Amino acid sequence: EDQVTQSPEALRLQEGESSSLNCSYTVSGLRGLFWYRQDPGKGPEFLFTLYSAGEEKEKERLKATLTKKESFLHITAPKPEDSATYLCAVQGVVGSSNTGKLIFGQGTTLQVKP
Amino acid sequence: DGGITQSPKYLFRKEGQNVTLSCEQNLNHDAMYWYRQDPGQGLRLIYYSQIVNDFQKGDIAEGYSVSREKKESFPLTVTSAQKNPTAFYLCASRTTSGGGDTQYFGPGTRLTVL
Repeated sequence: EDQVTQSPEALRLQEGESSSLNCSYTVSGLRGLFWYRQDPGKGPEFLFTLYSAGEEKEKERLKATLTKKESFLHITAPKPEDSATYLCAVQGVVGSSNTGKLIFGQGTTLQVKP
Repeated sequence: DGGITQSPKYLFRKEGQNVTLSCEQNLNHDAMYWYRQDPGQGLRLIYYSQIVNDFQKGDIAEGYSVSREKKESFPLTVTSAQKNPTAFYLCASRTTSGGGDTQYFGPGTRLTVL
């Protein structure tokens, strides 16, 4: 069974204090791993898609990396506006179909204090 | 502006009532999805549709129904058979153009059963 686990559940950082969020996954075959940002009461905002081990993607202070078992979202010198819940999801291979079904982790809630 | 709209933003339902949540997209995406989000849990897939007039059950379809009569619209009905419908409901549409694979989310509907 496909499964995604994110850690930690919550993370408090001081402004400028870099850190990483972890997403561990178990999937029969990986089509893609996705990172989203979600602000309270809003829909998730797409950040990155990673497709194969060794792949990295960057956007402003965020950098996502992927191995065969986990993904990291590195946050460099965070600012208070980076405070949000970060969601990780995987899309596995199901036979020959490409349904787009995503399995989500529980999320990591990040708070960045000024 | 291209995007996904959901309405209403807040919905209150009495026990025993059916309610319908609206989801519209003008992104010209073929595939659309409904997820449910509960506190402390990841998003869970309710139903999805990859093409007009066709849809499939997700992981938690019991007590829900959908239709896909138009490419732009994918309404979700929460029936009285759904035991615990209070949750945040999110609609998404998917693109696989340009070699990528991305689901974009709407702003969500918060349903509360009184």
